[in-house]
Amino acid sequence: NAGVTQTPKFQVLKTGQSMTLQCAQDMNHNSMYWYRQDPGMGLRLIYYSASEGTTDKGEVPNGYNVSRLNKREFSLRLESAAPSQTSVYFCASRAAAPTQYFGPGTRLLVL
Amino acid sequence: GESVGLHLPTLSVQEGDNSIINCAYSNSASDYFIWYKQESGKGPQFIIDIRSNMDKRQGQRVTVLLNKTVKHLSLQIAATQPGDSAVYFCAENMGYGNKLVFGAGTILRVKS
Repeated sequence: NAGVTQTPKFQVLKTGQSMTLQCAQDMNHNSMYWYRQDPGMGLRLIYYSASEGTTDKGEVPNGYNVSRLNKREFSLRLESAAPSQTSVYFCASRAAAPTQYFGPGTRLLVL
Repeated sequence: GESVGLHLPTLSVQEGDNSIINCAYSNSASDYFIWYKQESGKGPQFIIDIRSNMDKRQGQRVTVLLNKTVKHLSLQIAATQPGDSAVYFCAENMGYGNKLVFGAGTILRVKS
């Protein structure tokens, strides 16, 4: 039981490049989330998916898109990366209770 | 307590002492509270949670206290160990939707 996994672990992009961050969970959770964490800050919600087939914007959705591919997988796409998107990205999932379980993170640097 | 921005509050304790980390939450309608621990370079790790109809909940070496009157949450760690050094976040569930709101965190440093 791996919990929540994320790929890649690290990525360096040039401004304007695109990429997709992958997330998968094996806990049969319905809801999945994408957060970003900037230095010295808490977590800010980018997008979430309450259940398979649905997605909703969070606090900071601009510049991102998401896909809930199936119950296990939830991807985050940056269409045209900007230096302001340099951050650590975390994926999380939850079952019925509010407690969310997090992946190890993807560290993204946009030059 | 919690703060925002680059300067997180820091708590320094001696190994073996008890630690108390505080959090002020914002919404009196919040029905569920969670404490997370985040070690350097890792994702947040669940520690303990508490529902709003409880005042206290105990886990292994940890206790969470909830004071709804003043909207305050605390995490007590008994016999603090070097491995407890991390950033600790509280999160509140607003009672609707599927979203948590996170505080900015408190750094715990354990001195040997």
